[in-house]
Amino acid sequence: DVKVTQSSRYLVKRTGEKVFLECVQDMDHENMFWYRQDPGLGLRLIYFSYDVKMKEKGDIPEGYSVSREKKERFSLILESASTNQTSMYLCASRGFEQFFGPGTRLTVL
Amino acid sequence: GIQVEQSPPDLILQEGANSTLRCNFSDSVNNLQWFHQNPWGQLINLFYIPSGTKQNGRLSATTVATERYSLLYISSSQTTDSGVYFCAVISYNTDKLIFGTGTRLQVFP
Repeated sequence: DVKVTQSSRYLVKRTGEKVFLECVQDMDHENMFWYRQDPGLGLRLIYFSYDVKMKEKGDIPEGYSVSREKKERFSLILESASTNQTSMYLCASRGFEQFFGPGTRLTVL
Repeated sequence: GIQVEQSPPDLILQEGANSTLRCNFSDSVNNLQWFHQNPWGQLINLFYIPSGTKQNGRLSATTVATERYSLLYISSSQTTDSGVYFCAVISYNTDKLIFGTGTRLQVFP
């Protein structure tokens, strides 16, 4: 059974904190993605990666960075969290078919 | 870029009813997927169907690539079918999954 896992389902952080969201896939996929989803705005692509140590900006990269040191792991980093980064964060990986993790609901106070 | 339109935007059904959801896209695609987003926010893969017809239990899907549309059929709907259904495509000139705006389905007992 294919699986994409995310480190937390719910996370509460304070403004200015550094936040790490971890994503792991077990399908040996080269392509991995981070999205955020907000009511009325749909899914928006933050960053993606086609290979280890590779990263590409998506549609809304400002305020975020990523790390891909191993093929199976893709991390999203909020260097200094702000209240407008309160959102649902979804990780995905893709071979032919794209699979999503369960999501992390991040609240920044 | 490619445009993906879904209809209807909202659908309310009584348990046991059948429904058809439509996805139109503006360019040729080499990947088309249907997802169900449950009330907890998780995106569940329903079908990977760039062309042809597939069935999985009460759900089936058909993509007519030459006419640029896909249909998702839900038969004998159940309350657990409630949620948002997304169509998403990858066209030949991009490597990113582009999502439609979704169909929100509510099934009442």
